[in-house]
Amino acid sequence: QVHLVESGGAVVQPGRSLRLSCAASGFSYSSHYIDWVRQAPGKGLEWVAAISFDGSNKYYADSVKGRFTISRDNSKNTLYLQMSSLRAEDTAVYYCARDRDGGSGFDYWGQGTLVAVSS
Amino acid sequence: DIQMTQSPSTLSASVGDRVTIACRASQSISSWLAWYQQKPGKAPKLLIYKASSLESGVPSRFSGSGSGTEFTLTISSLQPDDFATYYCQQYNSYWTFGQGTKVEIK
Repeated sequence: QVHLVESGGAVVQPGRSLRLSCAASGFSYSSHYIDWVRQAPGKGLEWVAAISFDGSNKYYADSVKGRFTISRDNSKNTLYLQMSSLRAEDTAVYYCARDRDGGSGFDYWGQGTLVAVSS
Repeated sequence: DIQMTQSPSTLSASVGDRVTIACRASQSISSWLAWYQQKPGKAPKLLIYKASSLESGVPSRFSGSGSGTEFTLTISSLQPDDFATYYCQQYNSYWTFGQGTKVEIK
């Protein structure tokens, strides 16, 4: 059974850094792109970042480019999101999601972890 | 960047109604479109992929259509469990979500 479990969410001050993790199980982890998607309180979904099978290709939304870094450790079946220079507008629930095969959308999602940026 | 625009933003309907949600892409995305359902406090759930392919386990009352820039999600007979927010997502070039359509009880 596929499981994605995010962790690392916290309340942080503007300008500080935070690292999120997403532990995966129940599937061949290194065979899938994995993405981060966020949702600000009361707002819609926003794609944040994606990483290829082996981590060699990384993609970012303009809103986080240069501040966030996505990475993965296939030996630990774990995805990371290193967030720096955090802003109030980064406040959101952050979900990790599995891209099934590049042509079928995101078929499994974690439960989300809340990041609140506030002084 | 490809922008996705959904309409309406909110839809009031009754159980048994036929419901249609529209999604427009700012440029052609072929059929690289997915639809998701999200309930409060929960992660999104994949309903439709490749514009019209029904995800396994999703009731057949859900259907998707369209290609290019115009897409629709249809619920043939709205059920109590269907009151939720629905999002379209393009994955032709990077990934972009629409702003969402909330389906509420009339």
